[in-house]
Amino acid sequence: DAGVTQSPTHLIKTRGQQVTLRCSPKSGHDTVSWYQQALGQGPQFIFQYYEEEERQRGNFPDRFSGHQFPNYSSELNVNALLLGDSALYLCASSVTGQETQYFGPGTRLLVL
Amino acid sequence: RKEVEQDPGPFNVPEGATVAFNCTYSNSASQSFFWYRQDCRKEPKLLMSVYSSGNEDGRFTAQLNRASQYISLLIRDSKLSDSATYLCVGDFGNEKLTFGTGTRLTIIP
Repeated sequence: DAGVTQSPTHLIKTRGQQVTLRCSPKSGHDTVSWYQQALGQGPQFIFQYYEEEERQRGNFPDRFSGHQFPNYSSELNVNALLLGDSALYLCASSVTGQETQYFGPGTRLLVL
Repeated sequence: RKEVEQDPGPFNVPEGATVAFNCTYSNSASQSFFWYRQDCRKEPKLLMSVYSSGNEDGRFTAQLNRASQYISLLIRDSKLSDSATYLCVGDFGNEKLTFGTGTRLTIIP
């Protein structure tokens, strides 16, 4: 049983560009949450998708957007990249109503 | 004030020692708490859930004190493989996890 997968593993972009990160949840999971982890910090909640809709959102600007597909996979899009967007982006999947979230290996984004 | 606060460390502890981490939270509407472990450049992995009654998993014991809004993790007979960052995590509703900054632990041979 495959766990949560994310692609790409690493990405380098320049300021102003746009990026799309992808996540496939664990088999049987219907909820996907995205987190941003800056160096030396704990992960910060970006948003959560369930039934192809954004269910809740953290304190992130509208430059951060997402999508969930019918197969429960998800994308995170970031527009107009800033240097401060450099971080590890983590996807976590869960079954709605159950408390345990399982994290993918993350995508390391570097903005130059 | 951050919703979940923990001492970032680092904690440098000799192998075989007992080490304790503490964490406080400010949101009294909190529902569930967890300890996650994160190895260097890896994703967080669930270590254990935390209950008011306390729970134990081998060498690890977690405790939640709702009155004091305080969570603890105790590691007994520490191993070299316990070296990692330990993240205190709260679920304050709707399965949205709020993480502390993490406490870095290094076990010294």
